[in-house]
Amino acid sequence: AQSVAQPEDQVNVAEGNPLTVKCTYSVSGNPYLFWYVQYPNRGLQFLLKYITGDNLVKGSYGFEAEFNKSQTSFHLKKPSALVSDSALYFCAVRDSGYSTLTFGKGTMLLVSP
Amino acid sequence: NAGVTQTPKFRILKIGQSMTLQCTQDMNHNYMYWYRQDPGMGLKLIYYSVGAGITDKGEVPNGYNVSRSTTEDFPLRLELAAPSQTSVYFCASRTGTDYRDEQFFGPGTRLTVL
Repeated sequence: AQSVAQPEDQVNVAEGNPLTVKCTYSVSGNPYLFWYVQYPNRGLQFLLKYITGDNLVKGSYGFEAEFNKSQTSFHLKKPSALVSDSALYFCAVRDSGYSTLTFGKGTMLLVSP
Repeated sequence: NAGVTQTPKFRILKIGQSMTLQCTQDMNHNYMYWYRQDPGMGLKLIYYSVGAGITDKGEVPNGYNVSRSTTEDFPLRLELAAPSQTSVYFCASRTGTDYRDEQFFGPGTRLTVL
């Protein structure tokens, strides 16, 4: 079975400050991990993914994520937040051998000017 | 490339009515998915397909049906609409030929059942 948890419903950060959105996962095989962003009244957009290799993954719009196998975490980060980063962020996991993704409940990121 | 398209964008149904949500992708992707999104609940998988003629149930299939007669199209059918089916529905696709590939999402259909 595969599962993912996003422990924070909402993250508030001031523009220019670093941001972190947390994600932990559970799989029985090798994890394939993804972050998606959803702007209001839009579909989900792919941000970045971890498949194998380097634990620090870089993605779109200056976002990056750090894979930590011992802590089963895949936190999303950005060094300097923008107001335009305000959106709903989803972490997702696919266990090796599975065809489907399991999504977290989402974390609303609010960046204040 | 239009990507993944969904119609309609919005729909209001009465209890007991039926409708089909359309989903089309022009990327020649093998895998297609239907999700529903409810506030605070994330995305729940309804049905998915790994190729034309092959479909399988997801986490919340009750009250829905799907078919996949072509690679491009993956319609979702609601037979007897219920208020519990009020939600935003997203269709997604991925190539399926590479275990590393990500899903591409359509813009969604907002459905209200009254």
